Amino acid sequence: AQRVTQPEKLLSVFKGAPVELKCNYSYSGSPELFWYVQYSRQRLQLLLRHISRESIKGFTADLNKGETSFHLKKPFAQEEDSAMYYCALSGRNTPLVFGKGTRLSVIA
Amino acid sequence: DAGVIQSPRHEVTEMGQEVTLRCKLISGHNSLFWYRQTMMRGLELLIYFNNNVPIDDSGMPEDRFSAKMPNASFSTLKIQPSEPRDSAVYFCASSLGTGGNEQFFGPGTRLTVL
Repeated sequence: AQRVTQPEKLLSVFKGAPVELKCNYSYSGSPELFWYVQYSRQRLQLLLRHISRESIKGFTADLNKGETSFHLKKPFAQEEDSAMYYCALSGRNTPLVFGKGTRLSVIA
Repeated sequence: DAGVIQSPRHEVTEMGQEVTLRCKLISGHNSLFWYRQTMMRGLELLIYFNNNVPIDDSGMPEDRFSAKMPNASFSTLKIQPSEPRDSAVYFCASSLGTGGNEQFFGPGTRLTVL
């Protein structure tokens, strides 16, 4: 079965501090992993996906198959990063399965 | 393209009333997903369609919930009768195909059942 676990409901960091949002998954095949973000009063949107291996708004995420993790990282948090972050997994021809989300609060 | 459109944005109703939520897909997309978001459970997939056909409705909580896709660009989610525990934000999303394709979300409908 597909499962995504985000262990932290809320993460508070100071501006300029490093950020790591944790995501672990369970899937028997080769998954595709995503991070979606929901800023205040905005709709949920794709932040990044592991196959593109890109950095978006300073965020990166590396798929670690050995640890079945896809943690989201940013070296220096900014106030505008405050949002709800969802990790999601997709298998072959199956829809996304989302974690319960982590609310990131960046304190000035 | 205005993106995925949902209506109404807010709905307040009394227990026992019928509620209909509406969603318009992005032109050209052929997959449609309905989600429910609550503090306790996060984002839950209720049902999804591919090419107007319901593929998996195992996430629909009860028979009180039903969803239709009368044409390729429009879908409704109906709750009849509504109950206070149905209070949540309901999102629809569309994509080109299922699997690993990006889903584009609507702004959501905040439902409050008194």
